[in-house]
Amino acid sequence: NAGVTQTPKFQVLKTGQSMTLQCAQDMNHEYMSWYRQDPGMGLRLIHYSVGAGITDQGEVPNGYNVSRSTTEDFPLRLLSAAPSQTSVYFCASSINRRNTEAFFGQGTRLTVV
Amino acid sequence: KQEVTQIPAALSVPEGENLVLNCSFTDSAIYNLQWFRQDPGKGLTSLLLIQSSQREQTSGRLNASLDKSSGRSTLYIAASQPGDSATYLCISGGSNYKLTFGKGTLLTVNP
Repeated sequence: NAGVTQTPKFQVLKTGQSMTLQCAQDMNHEYMSWYRQDPGMGLRLIHYSVGAGITDQGEVPNGYNVSRSTTEDFPLRLLSAAPSQTSVYFCASSINRRNTEAFFGQGTRLTVV
Repeated sequence: KQEVTQIPAALSVPEGENLVLNCSFTDSAIYNLQWFRQDPGKGLTSLLLIQSSQREQTSGRLNASLDKSSGRSTLYIAASQPGDSATYLCISGGSNYKLTFGKGTLLTVNP
């Protein structure tokens, strides 16, 4: 049982490049979400999913895209990277709408130059 | 809208001291409350989870309490050690999957 696995751990992108941050969980959790963590801002919700085929926007969705074709995977796509997207990204999952105990991945540190 | 506040934002204590970190929330209709630690440049490590029906949870030198009526949770660390130095995050879990994060307390334990 690996929990929540994020890849890569570190990434440097040039402005305008695109990339996908991977997130997978093996706990059959309904809920998966992406957050970014910036100094002084705490964790902010980017996108979330309550099941395969269902996604919705969070607090800061602009510039990001998600899909959830399976229960296990929830990739986050940066369409055209900007320096403002330099941040640490965390993926999290929870069992269902009533059991919101959160499990986090180890994070991806992204730098856009 | 749920708001979670952690006070103080930073705390520095000498080794061996017992200490309390505070977390307050505005909506008492929470399902659970979790405490995490985050080391610099690292991920979030779960410390304790308190379900809404519980008053406290203990793990080793850590004790977390929950008082829904007053909208407060505390994390008590006994006999602090330099290895306890980290940022401690309080996260409330509410209806419809909603997680609300505090901004954390940066703890420094000095040898």
